Amino acid sequence: EVQLVESGGGLVQPGRSLRLSCTASGFTFGDYAMSWFRQAPGKGLEWVGFIRSKAHGGTTEYAASVKGRFTISSDDSKTIAYLQMNSLKTEDTAVYFCSREKYSGTYLFDYWGQGTQVTVSS
Amino acid sequence: SSELTQDPAVSVALGQTVRITCQGDSLGSYYANWYQQKPGQAPVLVIYAKNNRPSGIPDRFSGSSSGNTASLTISGAQAEDEADYYCNSRDSSGNHLVFGGGTKLTVL
Repeated sequence: EVQLVESGGGLVQPGRSLRLSCTASGFTFGDYAMSWFRQAPGKGLEWVGFIRSKAHGGTTEYAASVKGRFTISSDDSKTIAYLQMNSLKTEDTAVYFCSREKYSGTYLFDYWGQGTQVTVSS
Repeated sequence: SSELTQDPAVSVALGQTVRITCQGDSLGSYYANWYQQKPGQAPVLVIYAKNNRPSGIPDRFSGSSSGNTASLTISGAQAEDEADYYCNSRDSSGNHLVFGGGTKLTVL
């Protein structure tokens, strides 16, 4: 059974850092790209960024709103994807989800974690 | 601002058919996927690559597209279909992902 579990969320002051983890199980982690999304209170889904599989270079892409502040990495041996968030702003307050990206005629997200809450406030 | 445009809210009578649309320039080049999200839950993929359903998704869900518009149709809406629905695709560069703003579906 595929499972994704986010952790590491919490309350953090503006300007500080936080690292989220997405622990995966039930599939060959290294074969997939992993994405991060977020959802601010009462708002819609927003893509944050993704990391391609090592077979596709292991490169990353980010949304303009987080580029330069957030970094995605992964550890295939631990089957964990990370989201390092630096210089946090109050507008980064959201539930953060990780998801597995699969290609089946299109790039889709077939499994999601339950999300972890990040609150940026002084 | 989102590069995919959805109506904020749609309602449908129980058992009737409803269509939710998503418009965007990138849909002329990339398929749209559709996600259902209920309050306090993670999104669930319901349609991908225009009109494919993942295992476990009822066949009352279907998708279609024409030009720069993708549609999600629910034929015979059920009470449990009440949720937010989001379309998603790549942006024009192909390297970034975009979501529509979401459509809140109310089943009356």
